Order: sequence, then C-alpha cells, then structure tokens
Amino acid sequence: KAGVTQTPRYLIKTRGQQVTLSCSPISGHRSVSWYQQTPGQGLQFLFEYFSETQRNKGNFPGRFSGRQFSNSRSEMNVSTLELGDSALYLCASSLRAGGKHTEAFFGQGTRLTVV
Amino acid sequence: QQPVQSPQAVILREGEDAVINCSSSKALYSVHWYRQKHGEAPVFLMILLKGGEQKGHDKISASFNEKKQQSSLYLTASQLSYSGTYFCGTPLRDFGNEKLTFGTGTRLTIIP
Repeated sequence: KAGVTQTPRYLIKTRGQQVTLSCSPISGHRSVSWYQQTPGQGLQFLFEYFSETQRNKGNFPGRFSGRQFSNSRSEMNVSTLELGDSALYLCASSLRAGGKHTEAFFGQGTRLTVV
Repeated sequence: QQPVQSPQAVILREGEDAVINCSSSKALYSVHWYRQKHGEAPVFLMILLKGGEQKGHDKISASFNEKKQQSSLYLTASQLSYSGTYFCGTPLRDFGNEKLTFGTGTRLTIIP
C-alpha cells in the first residue's frame, strides 16, 4: 500500500511569509502527527490529529497550526516565518492515536528553509 | 520531557556490537524504536508493549525494563547498513492526551 506522502518536499520562504505543508496518511490511518526536526534537537512534537480533532499540542507558538480533513489528510500552517523555523517537518500516520500500541509511519518530510 | 538516549553518538567497526539506551523520568507504557538514515524518513524497527518484553529481528533486538523506566536496543555483529540515527519514542502525557515523544537520538556510524 502507498506510504505517507508529504508535499512539497522542499520550500524556500522569506521571513514574515506564511507556509502550508500537506500530509496524506496511509489509507485507513486516522491519526496524523507532525514533528519538527532540527540538528541536535531530535524530533519535536508539534501536534496530533485524530478524526479531524486535535488531540494534543507541543510547546510551539501559536504561529504553528494545523487541521485534518474528513479523508484524514492533514495540513500544517506556519505564519510569520522566522529564521529559526528552518527545519525538516515530518508527519507520521498511525492506526490509533497517542502512540501507545501502534507504530508510526513517517513521510519523507518537507525541508523548509527561511531566508 | 523527552526520553534521554545514550550514547549520543558511537562509531563501530563492522562486526562489532552496540547498545543504545533510552530512559525516561516518567513512567513508560510502551517503547518504540526507529532508525533514520541520512536524508530519509525514520523507519519503524519495533515496539515493546510491556515490562520485561524482549523483541528482535535479524541481529537487532530490544528489551524493556518498566520498573527502571528504560529500554535498550542491541545491535550485534553490526553491518554497514545499520548506520543511521536511532530514536526511541514513548507515549508521554503532559497535559491532555498522550503524544508519541522521541529522544534526541543516537548517531551510529559503522565503518568497514
């Protein structure tokens, strides 16, 4: 079956702009989580959506937001971009929420560069 | 608070063994292990669901000590293909629902 698809793969934006990233989970998966990955910081949790509801949110400013559609596809939006937002943004899909009993499948990520 | 992994980095020669540790200050209900090769997405290795559980496939195995709130990943007779960054993950609850939280990673380099 098809894996997790993230688009676009690469983005270059200017400070102050906003950006929207997209994630299509594996068919049948209703949970989508977003992570920010930077060198030395590992995978930092942004938020998780399950059945169109945000279940949890990480310690990121309100400029980071997301949503999930009825087909489980998810989008993440970052407004008023800052240089420090440059990172690899990964989404992960899973059958169940919370990560307790089921593995997560990651997409290839979107590499965002803010200049 | 994310799990702590040790060591942060390790370099091995092909055929040598490695142990990567993951510990948490909070109770662990399950532990995931993932490997991420350079420029690629993290790939699921295994999940341990209860204390005392041990799992493995090929020459990679893991154990989960619920009482000590830690898990260890064992790589025996390492191969070049084992190079990458290894992450442990565990569902942690700060406020609200659990979220799959990852450690900072262990970079493993295998040299011929």
